[in-house]
Parts: sequence; structure tokens; C-alpha cells
Amino acid sequence: GAGVSQSPSNKVTEKGKDVELRCDPISGHTALYWYRQSLGQGLEFLIYFQGNSAPDKSGLPSDRFSAERTGGSVSTLTIQRTQQEDSAVYLCASSLSGVHEQYFGPGTRLTVT
Amino acid sequence: SQQGEEDPQALSIQEGENATMNCSYKTSINNLQWYRQNSGRGLVHLILIRSNEREKHSGRLRVTLDTSKKSSSLLITASRAADTASYFCATDGNTDKLIFGTGTRLQVFP
Repeated sequence: GAGVSQSPSNKVTEKGKDVELRCDPISGHTALYWYRQSLGQGLEFLIYFQGNSAPDKSGLPSDRFSAERTGGSVSTLTIQRTQQEDSAVYLCASSLSGVHEQYFGPGTRLTVT
Repeated sequence: SQQGEEDPQALSIQEGENATMNCSYKTSINNLQWYRQNSGRGLVHLILIRSNEREKHSGRLRVTLDTSKKSSSLLITASRAADTASYFCATDGNTDKLIFGTGTRLQVFP
């Protein structure tokens, strides 16, 4: 595709429900990142995939958060038992490698009621 | 933490004026990047400067890097209302991932 795509663009869910957020990176990009951004704040690193290496999960805030990347392409971020503090915009980015320019998707705005 | 810190947090200027934003970081780096974000959605890459470079230009943007002070600045000349956005620096900290700073919110008034 022409760029990084994310779905859904908006998600409203009830507290305690599980949600899945999807990211389609640019074809050929080996690095994929997930970030979280609360209103008016900076980007909080969540998880990083690089090729076939084990993902860097050091930014995941709790064990309710998990992510996978299938076939080195599409990635899914799953949040189990959502809490109100999980409300934020979740951004995905991909790049040719870890230190190259990152291309961002439009984000998924998650609201937990 | 290798997070960059931008300064100021917020900046308001008139169209035509120059805007300068600063970024400080804590560890050695391979490169430093600046990004722009409109309306709280996806970021757009502006410019990348390598650790062995001191200055780089792209259109109305000028980026400087001082590795001895672990700092960088982004200058936007002749600002326009359309430059209104948040600007973030990102560093790699000699690792294979980028860590973003907290951002500067720039408001340019017509």
C-alpha cells in the first residue's frame, strides 16, 4: 500500500472488554512500532518488532497488553480487560530498519467508558 | 532514560516570524530526527541529522546538532499559519529503536 494503515480509526469500548487494534505497515519495512499518546502528551513507546528477532516489549505498561506480528507484516495490538486509563490514541509506525525514518499510520483513538 | 526533552513546551508566534525549538537528550546517538504532528494523529518525518553532522537544511527548516551538549535545535523560518502543529525530536541512543521527546506545541497566528 501507499502508507501505513490502521484500523479501526476510532473504537469505543466498555471497561473490562478486550480490544484488538490492527496495523498494516508499508510493504518491505522490517521494523514496526506501537506507541500510545494520551491527550496533549508525547509518544509512549509500547513495543518494537524488527524482522524475525524477538520483539522488544519493554514499553508495555501491563500484562493486559500484548502484540504480535504475523508473517513479518500485519501487527495486532491486543488490550485485555480494558481500563479507563487505556483511553488514548494508539499509533503504529514502520521503517526500513530500526534507525531509519519512521512512517506513521493515522492512529486508532480508543475510548474506554 | 534516553528520552529527548523539547523546549519550550509551547510557543506562540506571528506569521512571518521564526520559530526555534530545542531538544536535549541523555545518551550518545547515531542520529536524531524531527517529526511534526497535526491534530494528535500520525507523525510526519521532517529531517534526520547524523551524529557526525552539525547542521542540515530542508526548505524553511534548519536543524543543528551539538553532540558535546547533547542538544539539537529546529528552526522554522518565515513561519506560516499552516506550520501550527506539535514538533517532536527522536533519538536512537545507539540502539535500534527511536525514543520520542515530549514535543513542542507551536501556534502560528495569521
